[in-house]
Amino acid sequence: DSGVTQTPKHLITATGQRVTLRCSPRSGDLSVYWYQQSLDQGLQFLIQYYNGEERAKGNILERFSAQQFPDLHSELNLSSLELGDSALYFCASSVVPSGAQLEQYFGPGTRLTVT
Amino acid sequence: AQSVAQPEDQVNVAEGNPLTVKCTYSVSGNPYLFWYVQYPNRGLQFLLKYITGDNLVKGSYGFEAEFNKSQTSFHLKKPSALVSDSALYFCAVRAKGDKIIFGKGTRLHILP
Repeated sequence: DSGVTQTPKHLITATGQRVTLRCSPRSGDLSVYWYQQSLDQGLQFLIQYYNGEERAKGNILERFSAQQFPDLHSELNLSSLELGDSALYFCASSVVPSGAQLEQYFGPGTRLTVT
Repeated sequence: AQSVAQPEDQVNVAEGNPLTVKCTYSVSGNPYLFWYVQYPNRGLQFLLKYITGDNLVKGSYGFEAEFNKSQTSFHLKKPSALVSDSALYFCAVRAKGDKIIFGKGTRLHILP
């Protein structure tokens, strides 16, 4: 158990809908990362927050947004969902803003299925 | 461009034999390299990392990795494979802006 929690575990929704994925980092970790894992694209970095502020942006679509709250939990919002958004979404956390030297701890993921 | 490549989608090894999972990278500056493992229906777990120092890095579950600067490689190794090592393995490298780039993953099958 990494100490990172994600809810829900599974999510099934229809195209055009909006969903929110939630992540709680490990106790003491200030940095949260979001990743998308799909069969054809592999593991793609989406976005990073550190202590409430956006720190780095990856291949995140404009339809997607995220935020980190004062209690350090984070939410990833996915809107106008398309079939291609079906994937596993992982949250990871680390202590410091830079993931350069420190490993990240991953949550169990949320499996999103868009029908 | 900064990148990481895992040239093998799948590696099959008999139990008890040594295993190698390959990774090559392309980065500017000093490379920070990582290996993660993903078991079915689980998140990624950190195995080991190379930041600086000894080229042979030891990690969890008996795994080690060898950093080779001239070949820009960071291959994952284990002297004697276990069936329980069967999983998906990801190599990762620190990229510009402190982002971590992951390889596409290599599925390791250990045959009993």
